[in-house]
Amino acid sequence: AQTVTQSQPEMSVQEAETVTLSCTYDTSENNYYLFWYKQPPSRQMILVIRQEAYKQQNATENRFSVNFQKAAKSFSLKISDSQLGDTAMYFCTPEYGNKLVFGAGTILRVKS
Amino acid sequence: EAGVVQSPRYKIIEKKQPVAFWCNPISGHNTLYWYRQNLGQGPELLIRYENEEAVDDSQLPKDRFSAERLKGVDSTLKIQPAELGDSAVYLCASSPVWRPNTGELFFGEGSRLTVL
Repeated sequence: AQTVTQSQPEMSVQEAETVTLSCTYDTSENNYYLFWYKQPPSRQMILVIRQEAYKQQNATENRFSVNFQKAAKSFSLKISDSQLGDTAMYFCTPEYGNKLVFGAGTILRVKS
Repeated sequence: EAGVVQSPRYKIIEKKQPVAFWCNPISGHNTLYWYRQNLGQGPELLIRYENEEAVDDSQLPKDRFSAERLKGVDSTLKIQPAELGDSAVYLCASSPVWRPNTGELFFGEGSRLTVL
């Protein structure tokens, strides 16, 4: 079975600080993609960042970056300089057989 | 550019009644997805369309769920009859190409269904 594990159901961070959301997954494929999606309260889901498994370099998008450990099947999201607008549910989403499989999500609350 | 539009945003029905959800994808997006998101969980794929063709409906409970995408644009998802366990948010998404790894999915705001 294709699994995605987000071990942190909820997290809190102070504004301007850094937070890391963890994710582990399981796949037998060698080439695949990984995504983090963000779902703000009562708003639509949007893509935060994407990583190609064959690329060694970790993806970065402004304040968002990933730590991709292919051998360990780990894909964590780091948010630097957290802002109130980062408050949302974050989903780790690997691609399995051309399907996106969403984890259970981590609720992140940014406090002022 | 207009995003993915879904309606209704909220629907409350009694069990055994029918319900339908409508989705208008982003113009030019050939691929359309319906997901179901239970409370506190990640979305699960119900069906994927490439233009008018349903290319992946393996997770769609076909005894009570049906979907259509006429003319390869708008789509409707129907449940008949609804059961208590169908209470969830139904998300529609679209993308310009069918492989998710070559492009992001664009989601609508969802239709929240409550079955009493």
